[in-house]
Amino acid sequence: DTEVTQTPKHLVMGMTNKKSLKCEQHMGHRAMYWYKQKAKKPPELMFVYSYEKLSINESVPSRFSPECPNSSLLNLHLHALQPEDSALYLCASSQDTKEQYFGPGTRLTVT
Amino acid sequence: GEDVEQSLFLSVREGDSSVINCTYTDSSSTYLYWYKQEPGAGLQLLTYIFSNMDMKQDQRLTVLLNKKDKHLSLRIADTQTGDSAIYFCAELNNTDKLIFGTGTRLQVFP
Repeated sequence: DTEVTQTPKHLVMGMTNKKSLKCEQHMGHRAMYWYKQKAKKPPELMFVYSYEKLSINESVPSRFSPECPNSSLLNLHLHALQPEDSALYLCASSQDTKEQYFGPGTRLTVT
Repeated sequence: GEDVEQSLFLSVREGDSSVINCTYTDSSSTYLYWYKQEPGAGLQLLTYIFSNMDMKQDQRLTVLLNKKDKHLSLRIADTQTGDSAIYFCAELNNTDKLIFGTGTRLQVFP
């Protein structure tokens, strides 16, 4: 089983809203990732958690706040986003960085 | 620097073979990958190859790696309409970060 699940599938939020994206994997993977993908572009790495600790932050604005409550869950808290933050947000997990498995993504629209 | 380039578009007839090409610049890459992304979906890991290998075959997929020229290709045999998607190559750099190519849109016509 190589399944990574993400909720919600779609999210529309205003610039003053606070919302959260959720990601879950039950493969026992030690690393979890958040990526942002704009239309017709490749994914861009945002954050990496390794053993539930934040190991990489790719200079992401503070309006995006990641959280890893346990080894199976990864959240991305959103606050005061801008319309240009509208994108597909992808979660991934891996056991040893060699194979990253991606979830289906959350399509975020900021109005 | 790290740069991964792909051609933007490929159109093939159903039943023919497809070859998607990729070039990269980082000679320290350890693993190279092919991912498939269908419209509105996440990325599906198709296959990957270790940098000391020349070729890997997995059912209809064949990956060829020319490390000297830093060239990676993905051949899909007997291409089907369900293979229509965007294909991303990616390299794992020496900080374990995936560097993606620009993506190639494969269109399969009957």
